[in-house]
Amino acid sequence: EVQLLESGGGLVQPGGSLRLSCAASGFTYSDYAMTWVRQAPGKGLEWVSGITGGGAGTYYADAVKGRFTISRDNSKNTLYLRMNSLRAEDTAVYFCAKGHYSGNYPYLDYWGQGTLVTVSS
Amino acid sequence: EIVLTQSPGTLSLSPGERATLSCRASQSVSSNYLAWYQQKPGQAPRLLIYAASNTATGIPDRFSASGSGTDFTLTISRLEPEDFAVYYCQQYVSSPKTFGQGTKVEIK
Repeated sequence: EVQLLESGGGLVQPGGSLRLSCAASGFTYSDYAMTWVRQAPGKGLEWVSGITGGGAGTYYADAVKGRFTISRDNSKNTLYLRMNSLRAEDTAVYFCAKGHYSGNYPYLDYWGQGTLVTVSS
Repeated sequence: EIVLTQSPGTLSLSPGERATLSCRASQSVSSNYLAWYQQKPGQAPRLLIYAASNTATGIPDRFSASGSGTDFTLTISRLEPEDFAVYYCQQYVSSPKTFGQGTKVEIK
């Protein structure tokens, strides 16, 4: 059974940093691309960042480019999102999601339950 | 960036009725790399459809989808109580891999 468990969310001040983690199990992790999607309170889904199975390809939304870094440790079956220079508008539930294959064009076939990030003073 | 516009914003229907949801792209979605997801309150999204018209594993056959280029449609043939939720389309061919703003299907 595929399982994705996010952690690392919490309350952070504007300008601060946070690192989210997503622990994956139930599939051969390195064979699949992974993605972060966020959802601000009461709002729709927003694609944030994606990474290919081997980690060579990374992609970002313009809203986070230069501030967020996606990475993965295939030896630990874990996805990360390093978030710097956080702003109030980054407040959201952050979901990690599994791609359907390892490459650049994955649809998202499994999702975690999300971790809440609140940016406020 | 490909902008996806979903309509209507809210669809008020009764159980047993047919639901038709639209997703229009600002430019052609090549290879029909378009997916549909369902999200219920407090839950993670769930994949319904990929490649514009392919039903994901375990999805009931009352869900179907069609379309190509810039116009895509999700149809729920007969609404069950558990189908009342928010539905999102997403294109996954071009970064950023944008979502539509969602269509809420509510009980009339």
